[in-house]
Amino acid sequence: QTVVTQEPSLTVSPGGTVTLTCASSTGAVTNDYHPNWFQQKPGQAPRTLIYNINNKHSWTPARFSGSLLGDKAALTLSGVQSEDEAEYYCLLIYGGAWVFGGGTKLTVL
Amino acid sequence: QVQLVQSGTEVKKPGASVKVSCNVSGYTFGRYGIGWVRQAPGQGLEWIGWTNPYNGDRNYAQKFQDRVTVSIDTPTSTAYMELRSLRSDDTAIYYCATDYDFVWGSWGQGTMVTVSS
Repeated sequence: QTVVTQEPSLTVSPGGTVTLTCASSTGAVTNDYHPNWFQQKPGQAPRTLIYNINNKHSWTPARFSGSLLGDKAALTLSGVQSEDEAEYYCLLIYGGAWVFGGGTKLTVL
Repeated sequence: QVQLVQSGTEVKKPGASVKVSCNVSGYTFGRYGIGWVRQAPGQGLEWIGWTNPYNGDRNYAQKFQDRVTVSIDTPTSTAYMELRSLRSDDTAIYYCATDYDFVWGSWGQGTMVTVSS
């Protein structure tokens, strides 16, 4: 059973920078896992922020960026705003089957 | 712009089946695959499966392999996800989203499915 692990929760101050990570139980995350990142606010559908490690959609705010950090995928928020308080999920692919991480609850305080 | 509009709330009894629809607009239907995801109350996201409207390819999470079918109706630009032998732990919001070439894009608004006797 493949497990994708994220920090359960993180707290950041407005204007600060925070990095969320996404680890695979199978080893290092590489571009072969095609990491995608999603934001979900209470009562809303998820919204895709990042695809293929570090690519943004037209609707993705510039303060969001994706990368590989060591053996994990990472999502960095720079200049955090109160509206960024949400749950964030990563998604990795394993031979045709996608697996979500458990999500990170980001609090802006 | 790309829009995915899903069917409405469903209430089903254990053992029944549910079929959720996802009507897409704003792009050529066969251009993007459609992925299906669910979220149980208070829980995280769970991938169910995927279909490619262009060639009919499908792929399912092992957990759902024997109970789910994803299908498409090209003339109406609609994708479907049918889940059979429903149990109470299938109670969740079911989402469709575009998934093409490992790129997840736009999402539907979600369909609440409640399984209760």
